[in-house]
Amino acid sequence: GQNIDQPTEMTATEGAIVQINCTYQTSGFNGLFWYQQHAGEAPTFLSYNVLDGLEEKGRFSSFLSRSKGYSYLLLKELQMKDSASYLCAAFNDYKLSFGAGTTVTVRA
Amino acid sequence: SAVISQKPSRDICQRGTSLTIQCQVDSQVTMMFWYRQQPGQSLTLIATANQGSEATYESGFVIDKFPISRPNLTFSTLTVSNMSPEDSSIYLCSTGSGTEAFFGQGTRLTVV
Repeated sequence: GQNIDQPTEMTATEGAIVQINCTYQTSGFNGLFWYQQHAGEAPTFLSYNVLDGLEEKGRFSSFLSRSKGYSYLLLKELQMKDSASYLCAAFNDYKLSFGAGTTVTVRA
Repeated sequence: SAVISQKPSRDICQRGTSLTIQCQVDSQVTMMFWYRQQPGQSLTLIATANQGSEATYESGFVIDKFPISRPNLTFSTLTVSNMSPEDSSIYLCSTGSGTEAFFGQGTRLTVV
């Protein structure tokens, strides 16, 4: 079966940095997705890591270690609009298995 | 990328009735996926829909409760049958290229 773990909640100050960790145990692993979901809206794609290492996209970076079954999403220069739920999802075979999501609250 | 139009965006239904959710993709795609997101929880895959074959259901989901159609490569429907309050959720359709996955806007279903 699939097991995806991430923290439930995180709080940070505007302008700060937050790192959301995700560990996974899954068979047939192909890669790791990160999604952002604002309340009442559909998830939107942030990143997809296949190879080990860090991928940077503006204020957001994502890291993957396949040997450790570990990923993190790094949010820099936090803005109020970054308050949302962040979902990590393991892509195995042809489908996604989602973690429960991490609710990030950005405070002024 | 793919753009998915999903409707209805929300509905309030009486228990015992059925609701059909539609998803239209702006390009031809091989696989479409249907997810459920219960309040405060993450997404759970209901089934995978391929054109020309029966949908593949995940553990805990059955065709009688969630019949799916996939008549062509751009369209799919999910029906929530004989609804009960426990079916109140957001339902999302999705497709992807293998390196990216796209979601419809979601259908917020409330069963009363």
